[in-house]
Amino acid sequence: EDKVVQSPLSLVVHEGDTVTLNCSYEVTNFRSLLWYKQEKKAPTFLFMLTSSGIEKKSGRLSSILDKKELFSILNITATQTGDSAIYLCAVELVYGGSQGNLIFGKGTKLSVKP
Amino acid sequence: NAGVTQTPKFQVLKTGQSMTLQCAQDMNHNSMYWYRQDPGMGLRLIYYSASEGTTDKGEVPNGYNVSRLNKREFSLRLESAAPSQTSVYFCASTRIFGASEKLFFGSGTQLSVL
Repeated sequence: EDKVVQSPLSLVVHEGDTVTLNCSYEVTNFRSLLWYKQEKKAPTFLFMLTSSGIEKKSGRLSSILDKKELFSILNITATQTGDSAIYLCAVELVYGGSQGNLIFGKGTKLSVKP
Repeated sequence: NAGVTQTPKFQVLKTGQSMTLQCAQDMNHNSMYWYRQDPGMGLRLIYYSASEGTTDKGEVPNGYNVSRLNKREFSLRLESAAPSQTSVYFCASTRIFGASEKLFFGSGTQLSVL
């Protein structure tokens, strides 16, 4: 069965720290990998990655994909309390099964302390 | 810009009661989805509608039915609610199905079944 594994499941840091969130996957037909941020309710889109080695960047957040080793990382530098959220990784398949075309990991809960 | 609108935001049911969760999007998207999110389980696909007039089962369809009423609206019905259906439900949409489109999520429905 296709699966997406995120680590760590939870993380507590202090403001100003840099964090790295991990997402590994085992899927039969990879199309893309997406990162979402979920604060109080609805997940919001961060990045979509399709090619290995090309960093996507938005402010203090960046992400990169390694299609050979089947993982992605999400980096957050100079963390702020507003970065506290659950970060979701999802892998999009070319051909989905009962799980649909998008397989989500369980998420990493990040807490940033003042 | 409303995006994806879900109603209700909160609901408490007794075991055996029925209810319908409503979802509407105003982005002219073709594809719509229903997910449930449980602690430690990530987002799991219940049903999806790749285009108006079609619906398909996802990973966890048992106990649910859906209706794609028109291009804008996609409802989820619980015919006889069970405590195992206590969860947060998210509706989502994409412009087209299976083409690396990011999901737009509604704000969620917190459902408790007693």
